[in-house]
Amino acid sequence: NAGVTQTPKFRVLKTGQSMTLLCAQDMNHEYMYWYRQDPGMGLRLIHYSVGEGTTAKGEVPDGYNVSRLKKQNFLLGLESAAPSQTSVYFCASSWDSSFYGYTFGSGTRLTVV
Amino acid sequence: DQQVKQNSPSLSVQEGRISILNCDYTNSMFDYFLWYKKYPAEGPTFLISISSIKDKNEDGRFTVFLNKSAKHLSLHIVPSQPGDSAVYFCAASLGQAGTALIFGKGTTLSVSS
Repeated sequence: NAGVTQTPKFRVLKTGQSMTLLCAQDMNHEYMYWYRQDPGMGLRLIHYSVGEGTTAKGEVPDGYNVSRLKKQNFLLGLESAAPSQTSVYFCASSWDSSFYGYTFGSGTRLTVV
Repeated sequence: DQQVKQNSPSLSVQEGRISILNCDYTNSMFDYFLWYKKYPAEGPTFLISISSIKDKNEDGRFTVFLNKSAKHLSLHIVPSQPGDSAVYFCAASLGQAGTALIFGKGTTLSVSS
């Protein structure tokens, strides 16, 4: 089925460890996004990309890096995980930035201990 | 400063009655508004949207109303069903290339049978 696939679905990290979250979409969307969802905070934008090879910072980019080497993939990296990065991470993709909305993945639940 | 506000964290409604979810915004430059629905352990899914040049958009049981002068929009669900129980996010877009959706904190709707 067409859509957005996130891997892994769950992960537990120790403080200071690094990891990469992978997002893959097969809809040929230009735009891709990484959000985090925390209780009482809604969905906050971390980084996004408006096309292959491009990235831009969102509302809460500190502590994260991203890469979009291929149009269908958007990687989110944590170089040195902190407990404050415990969250549910959602990737999304879209044709453009406005009316048509986003297709979201099912999320990655990350716990940093 | 929060640009999209959902001031009611939760709403409880009986099956068959109307559910009204509210959203306020501060940026008059927003061009499109969208509602997303999220079930536990799943990604948000697009529900309905409205352009800033309209004041109403209807799709089956779901209707979104926009009051630009008050910078307020609402989602009406009639009749409400237990399957509508979910978190509802309001989102806004500037409609410009290179920008991303801005989400509210969400409202948890519980529909009891």
